[in-house]
Amino acid sequence: DARVTQTPRDKVTEMGQEVTMRCQPILGHNTVFWYRQTMMQGLELLAYFRNRAPLDDSGMPKDRFSAEMPDATLATLKIQPSEPRDSAVYFCASGDLGVTGELFFGEGSRLTVL
Amino acid sequence: AQTVTQSQPEMSVQEAETVTLSCTYDTSESDYYLFWYKQPPSRQMILVIRQEAYKQQNATENRFSVNFQKAAKSFSLKISDSQLGDAAMYFCAYRSAQAGGTSYGKLTFGQGTILTVHP
Repeated sequence: DARVTQTPRDKVTEMGQEVTMRCQPILGHNTVFWYRQTMMQGLELLAYFRNRAPLDDSGMPKDRFSAEMPDATLATLKIQPSEPRDSAVYFCASGDLGVTGELFFGEGSRLTVL
Repeated sequence: AQTVTQSQPEMSVQEAETVTLSCTYDTSESDYYLFWYKQPPSRQMILVIRQEAYKQQNATENRFSVNFQKAAKSFSLKISDSQLGDAAMYFCAYRSAQAGGTSYGKLTFGQGTILTVHP
């Protein structure tokens, strides 16, 4: 079965360290999303790519977060430097803009910043 | 900008009974999708049901059905014959299908409803 693959599944790091999360979207999907989930804020959209072009990253703190799609098989979300308030589960999702409109989610990366 | 509101932070139901989760949304678009996603403790987001805005018929998937009221911008989920495995966080989501707009393809979530199923 085709699925979205995210790494790492869990990450514990210290404040100030760089964190990179990776996502392999489903082959053929033309939209990729990064979401952050916390108890307080729920699911927040961080970044949205369509055909690898960034369309919306207004939900992302620009001073420390960056999102890229170097090619169609890889999306990355980087935090530098990390802070305790970045502790959350980060989801990647991919989908097409065809008939179903469905998004497929990865299993998420749980980040803990000490 | 589109918004999605789930007014019930928590709901509970007895096993084998029926429960309805509420969702309202705000949009000026005419072409969109609506979804209900389930997130069990494993944290995997699982699609429960999908509704295309242009379809008047309510979507159904086995024990799950929706009541889609386009004019009222309401999209509730009904779970019949509830099972212990239905216990999870449920998210309502809106996805723009309006081609050419800046929001085209964006998926916006509600805050979620925690569903507890009692044996």
